[in-house]
Amino acid sequence: DQQVKQNSPSLSVQEGRISILNCDYTNSMFDYFLWYKKYPAEGPTFLISISSIKDKNEDGRFTVFLNKSAKHLSLHIVPSQPGDSAVYFCAASGRGSGGGADGLTFGKGTHLIIQP
Amino acid sequence: DAGVIQSPRHEVTEMGQEVTLRCKPISGHNSLFWYRQTMMRGLELLIYFNNNVPIDDSGMPEDRFSAKMPNASFSTLKIQPSEPRDSAVYFCASSPGPQNSPLHFGNGTRLTVT
Repeated sequence: DQQVKQNSPSLSVQEGRISILNCDYTNSMFDYFLWYKKYPAEGPTFLISISSIKDKNEDGRFTVFLNKSAKHLSLHIVPSQPGDSAVYFCAASGRGSGGGADGLTFGKGTHLIIQP
Repeated sequence: DAGVIQSPRHEVTEMGQEVTLRCKPISGHNSLFWYRQTMMRGLELLIYFNNNVPIDDSGMPEDRFSAKMPNASFSTLKIQPSEPRDSAVYFCASSPGPQNSPLHFGNGTRLTVT
């Protein structure tokens, strides 16, 4: 049973446009959510996070939105750039996540392709 | 800041052999995590240490897997005996703590068991 789900394995967006990556979770105990970016042959790199006490967090071109009632979060990248092409992982943690106090539960990732 | 360092980057071994993966966390980080990535299951947490003490090993798949953290700057993940289904990319990550701190990942060890 997947507690964190990313239902789109891949997403293609034109350079300059907005990229929207989605993530759903089932565990209501999750209270901290993160997005990671991963290039081939490298480890995941932390991008942005949000605590459950907020519904939005912004960092430059990246904004994460959290809808607790829908158990849904999304990552917006605007404008999209060629260097944004990577696999993006949604992750969550909280009491009962199964990963310990700081362990993260990951989705399976969305491969974002930015078209020139 | 050298980041989390994992060795080796690639390991190819025969079924039945012992495999040891190594990790050096970022200096000053109190928590260390071992993850495994496969196509079928994605990124799975195997075990987690806090201040060198194992906190949660519920993700370790079988008794063939063991992990140690003898000091704050070194951890190992051992598989003995290895099986072809253990083939995956194994990531180590560290975190400064406290709770709700991002994890910093190494570049992984790609393990192939033939």
